[in-house]
Amino acid sequence: DTEVTQTPKHLVMGMTNKKSLKCEQHMGHRAMYWYKQKAKKPPELMFVYSYEKLSINESVPSRFSPECPNSSLLNLHLHALQPEDSALYLCASSQEADTGNTIYFGEGSWLTVV
Amino acid sequence: SQQGEEDPQALSIQEGENATMNCSYKTSINNLQWYRQNSGRGLVHLILIRSNEREKHSGRLRVTLDTSKKSSSLLITASRAADTASYFCATDTGFQKLVFGTGTRLLVSP
Repeated sequence: DTEVTQTPKHLVMGMTNKKSLKCEQHMGHRAMYWYKQKAKKPPELMFVYSYEKLSINESVPSRFSPECPNSSLLNLHLHALQPEDSALYLCASSQEADTGNTIYFGEGSWLTVV
Repeated sequence: SQQGEEDPQALSIQEGENATMNCSYKTSINNLQWYRQNSGRGLVHLILIRSNEREKHSGRLRVTLDTSKKSSSLLITASRAADTASYFCATDTGFQKLVFGTGTRLLVSP
């Protein structure tokens, strides 16, 4: 069972809306991640946070804005999205943002942009 | 570009049979992780194998790694219908930037 909790499980939003995806972990992990997965494709890294600081941004458009309020929480703020942004958004965490650490994923948030 | 290519793309077997999935990658890695994903769900971590390891076991799972050939395999023995899922390899080339392979869709029929 995953210990990374994501809400909401499903979200439908219009292109002019502002919404947020939320992620929480209580494993004491210091690294958190956002991945995006399109249908029938593998997940792709978007952002990495290490000790609450953004350490990797994989050239993600600014309409996606991550935030890490504390070591247990990770948000992804969404604004002015496009229909092609519809996907499964996966949050993950690991002990450290160091190689060799197992990365644990949540169940994901299904986003549909209409 | 994707790091890993998985083979086969889809695999259909009967319960009790073994399933083998292969993953090839292009550059040097620190470790390789295997994940399972049930349809529309999150990723479940299966095994992490480090670049200096050649084989690891976990229950009915056996993972091998051949860094000289830049390839890994996942063997599921005595498969069950509940093993039906997509399986991904993911390579870590540093700083936890996991790059996922294309995945293998496994169907286990009762």
